[in-house]
Amino acid sequence: AQSVTQLDSQVPVFEEAPVELRCNYSSSVSVYLFWYVQYPNQGLQLLLKYLSGSTLVKGINGFEAEFNKSQTSFHLRKPSVHISDTAEYFCAVSAYFTGGFKTIFGAGTRLFVKA
Amino acid sequence: GAVVSQHPSRVICKSGTSVKIECRSLDFQATTMFWYRQFPKQSLMLMATSNEGSKATYEQGVEKDKFLINHASLTLSTLTVTSAHPEDSSFYICSARDLGAPRRTDTQYFGPGTRLTVL
Repeated sequence: AQSVTQLDSQVPVFEEAPVELRCNYSSSVSVYLFWYVQYPNQGLQLLLKYLSGSTLVKGINGFEAEFNKSQTSFHLRKPSVHISDTAEYFCAVSAYFTGGFKTIFGAGTRLFVKA
Repeated sequence: GAVVSQHPSRVICKSGTSVKIECRSLDFQATTMFWYRQFPKQSLMLMATSNEGSKATYEQGVEKDKFLINHASLTLSTLTVTSAHPEDSSFYICSARDLGAPRRTDTQYFGPGTRLTVL
């Protein structure tokens, strides 16, 4: 069965420090990978995606992620965070699983940026 | 870019009543829409896949008679929570796939969500 694991439920970090949010997945089929951000009481905003090609993908707001097929990981990074980056971050995989096209989300990581 | 809207954004209802939530793709056609449910401080759980002109496909454990889904047109899907109870209180989010885009998985757009509170 397919699954997405976000290893950290909460990540506190000081402003201007680097951050990495970890994501691992399990799937028997090829997947496409995404990171979304969610601010309180709002929907999802796409940060970045990996479909194919270069394994290092850059997204909005200075975020980037690297796809590692051998480790089935897609960790999200930012070299210097801002207070405004405080939010919930979701890793997701999409694919044509048994039963059709679906997107599966990880449990989420709460990024809390401290002054 | 493509926009998906949801209406209402918030709804409060009494236990036992039914509530309808609309999901619209505003500037593209969507043969497939998805409905998710999100409890506080939790992830999104796929409830069902809504296909235009056919019956919805529900995920295991989701009561199809309680969560009625209708996808009557290429731009509108509705989720009706029937005989709502307090445990149905949640954040409901829809997403839509762009029919006009190449057959890729990056063309899924999310709505802003609907907060349902059942008293």
